[in-house]
Amino acid sequence: EPEVTQTPSHQVTQMGQEVILRCVPISNHLYFYWYRQILGQKVEFLVSFYNNEISEKSEIFDDQFSVERPDGSNFTLKIRSTKLEDSAMYFCASRGEIQETQYFGPGTRLLVL
Amino acid sequence: GQQLNQSPQSMFIQEGEDVSMNCTSSSIFNTWLWYKQDPGEGPVLLIALYKAGELTSNGRLTAQFGITRKDSFLNISASIPSDVGIYFCAGRSGGGSNYKLTFGKGTLLTVNP
Repeated sequence: EPEVTQTPSHQVTQMGQEVILRCVPISNHLYFYWYRQILGQKVEFLVSFYNNEISEKSEIFDDQFSVERPDGSNFTLKIRSTKLEDSAMYFCASRGEIQETQYFGPGTRLLVL
Repeated sequence: GQQLNQSPQSMFIQEGEDVSMNCTSSSIFNTWLWYKQDPGEGPVLLIALYKAGELTSNGRLTAQFGITRKDSFLNISASIPSDVGIYFCAGRSGGGSNYKLTFGKGTLLTVNP
């Protein structure tokens, strides 16, 4: 069964450093998403992406965040200058043109020291 | 932003017991989804509900989309130890490229063998 994959599974970085989180959505999907989950809290929407541009973004997704689909398979989330409060699980999700449901990847656990 | 109230926050039950959890919202959603999350993993879709009043089953799981489109419940019958995890409701708002999910805070289910 097709699935969303994410790399790395864990990332430890120093405050102020840039990180890039990578996702490979399900191959025929057209809508892509990033969510984050701070430890012990709910999953929060960050950004949606369609047709090579951002469709919607939340208040969390400030100027330090950016997304890109550099090729036909990868979808990346970049945090330019990480802060301590960026520590969280980051989930990528995708869905098809007609499908109502999003499928989530296993997540990247980011720890900012 | 939209808020989902999910209850209970946690449940501790004996194997074989039935479980019920629900979500309510002040806003209308077009779709209700129920996900399960195991520790360190991404949310896995359990049931999707697309129409007000819809009642859908998936094995021992049953979920309903409330008539008002502002609530949903999930029932698990005859619980087993592998049902342990965090259950999230999620409501879909928008469509097309504006589709996004709003998650509840989750219900932590513990099943005592």
